[in-house]
Amino acid sequence: QVQLQESGPGLVKVSQTLSLTCTVSGGSISSGSYYWNWIRQPAGKGLEWIGHIYTTGSPNSGSTNLNPALKSRATISVDTSKNQVSLKLSSVTAADTAVYYCTRADYDDYQLDFWGQGTPVTVSS
Amino acid sequence: SYDLTQPLSVSVAPGQTARITCGGNNIGSKNVHWYQQKPGQAPVVVIYRDTKRPSGISERVSGSNSGNTATLTITRAQVGDEADYYCQVWDRNTACRLFGGGTKLTVL
Repeated sequence: QVQLQESGPGLVKVSQTLSLTCTVSGGSISSGSYYWNWIRQPAGKGLEWIGHIYTTGSPNSGSTNLNPALKSRATISVDTSKNQVSLKLSSVTAADTAVYYCTRADYDDYQLDFWGQGTPVTVSS
Repeated sequence: SYDLTQPLSVSVAPGQTARITCGGNNIGSKNVHWYQQKPGQAPVVVIYRDTKRPSGISERVSGSNSGNTATLTITRAQVGDEADYYCQVWDRNTACRLFGGGTKLTVL
């Protein structure tokens, strides 16, 4: 059973870059073709898709799609040697305060089958 | 942009049928997925690709999708079904995964 675990600083200062890592266990990122997504949820609000990286097994490579609202600030990458997916979000503001989830889907229009527990991030001055 | 519209809340008595709708332009042509989220927990998929139910999800939960409306139906609702429910689709035009705003289901 695939398990996802997000990690990263719980507190980020305004204007800095938020960096999160999703460690995958129970399976290799390189073992097949998957869509690794980042989703976020501000407290008391709904789910927002940040973007995904599509991996096909090639080392440290994949194609990305990003939410247009975040496209200029978000970067998603993969490190197959560490079995990790990463998210970087630059120039953060208080509006980026949220719980961030790492998830996986088999295809872009398929469901998000596996979710991490989520990691809370607060952006503060 | 493509929008998904859900009611903010749905309330039913225990044992009754709860229906949560997700509206979108020609949503019947898309794969619709439904997620249940309880407080403090990550979402869990309860219906995928319109009508399919993952193993471990109660047979009381079902989905349908036609025209401009997808519907999540929970029969014989229980207090344990109380949660936020989100619909979700993939929009090929914008290459984005979209969520509805979420519906809070109350069983009382």
